Amino acid sequence: DVKVTQSSRYLVKRTGEKVFLECVQDMDHENMFWYRQDPGLGLRLIYFSYDVKMKEKGDIPEGYSVSREKKERFSLILESASTNQTSMYLCASSTTDRKNTEAFFGQGTRLTVV
Amino acid sequence: QKEVEQNSGPLSVPEGAIASLNCTYSDRGSQSFFWYRQYSGKSPELIMFIYSNGDKEDGRFTAQLNKASQYVSLLIRDSQPSDSATYLCAVIGGTALIFGKGTTLSVSS
Repeated sequence: DVKVTQSSRYLVKRTGEKVFLECVQDMDHENMFWYRQDPGLGLRLIYFSYDVKMKEKGDIPEGYSVSREKKERFSLILESASTNQTSMYLCASSTTDRKNTEAFFGQGTRLTVV
Repeated sequence: QKEVEQNSGPLSVPEGAIASLNCTYSDRGSQSFFWYRQYSGKSPELIMFIYSNGDKEDGRFTAQLNKASQYVSLLIRDSQPSDSATYLCAVIGGTALIFGKGTTLSVSS
């Protein structure tokens, strides 16, 4: 079974802190994604990566950065956390087979910024 | 900006009825289309994917794709209360997987 693991299920951080969300996948997938999910707004893509050290901005990259030093690990960084970044964060990974690019999701990290 | 549009619902159907969920997308070059189901408090899980025009059936689920109209739908036959969830349409836009906001389905017993 594909496994995508996010480092924390719940996090509470203070405004201004630097926050790291970690994601690890064990299926040698090329693509990895970070989404945030908010009520009424659905899943919004923050950043994605299609290879080690490669990254692309999604729809809402402001206030975030990412790091992919190894193929299996994709980190989301909140440089200076703000209350409007309180959300559910979901990591996903997929292959590059364009006809069968099923994305497998981690369990999610619910981040609260106070 | 590539967009995926869904009616947010809620869509309410009685048990045993057919539920019809619809999705339109803006990128005419999109190749692959997915339907995910998400239960409250859980991560999305894949139900169906389709990349050819026409219908694709899997058990009680049928995905329909019309690339000319940029339209993809999901039919759930013999709906069950356990089908009550949010259904997310997703489209490959370049490399990224772009999601719609989801349609909430409620099946009453």
